[in-house]
Amino acid sequence: GENVEQHPSTLSVQEGDSAVIKCTYSDSASNYFPWYKQELGKRPQLIIDIRSNVGEKKDQRIAVTLNKTAKHFSLHITETQPEDSAVYFCAASLNMGGSARQLTFGSGTQLTVLP
Amino acid sequence: DTGVSQNPRHKITKRGQNVTFRCDPISEHNRLYWYRQTLGQGPEFLTYFQNEAQLEKSRLLSDRFSAERPKGSFSTLEIQRTEQGDSAMYLCASSSRTGAEYEQYFGPGTRLTVT
Repeated sequence: GENVEQHPSTLSVQEGDSAVIKCTYSDSASNYFPWYKQELGKRPQLIIDIRSNVGEKKDQRIAVTLNKTAKHFSLHITETQPEDSAVYFCAASLNMGGSARQLTFGSGTQLTVLP
Repeated sequence: DTGVSQNPRHKITKRGQNVTFRCDPISEHNRLYWYRQTLGQGPEFLTYFQNEAQLEKSRLLSDRFSAERPKGSFSTLEIQRTEQGDSAMYLCASSSRTGAEYEQYFGPGTRLTVT
């Protein structure tokens, strides 16, 4: 089955700096890679996702890059703000014929943005 | 609130008792997923429904666990003869057949504590 590894497990940055979180996956057939943000005691919230037919996607201060050959993808947050502090999870799944399969998650990165 | 809802939000039970959780997906979402999340870890897939059909079950889902989605709308997850190792957050997610069909939206979870 799929295995997703995520690094680093904790990340502290100064407000305004950039943060990068990296994930690798094992199943070359995986074709959908979402990122979730989870604040303490709250539900995981989808913040951005990317499909295997593109290499990069950006949404305001958040961007995700995908390298299918190396089987890794990364989350980039620019101009970090204190409200970006949370646990971030990457995930991977194989979706076939419009059917969404289960997500395999990484172990999470605790991001702390220092004011 | 038109998001995924789960009840109860918290459940404390004694070892050996049975518990049942309910998930109401986003209206018109035909896919429903159950995940389990323990402290400091990413969610782990348990099972998945498309309409009323249970299409996949994880090896994590022992014989003590059963899930149903009888009318293709809400779903229940029952744990029989609970063990302390069952203590976790149980998350439900749903996704749509049309539009952004890969995106999974999570509920707030049911936190189970087995004493």
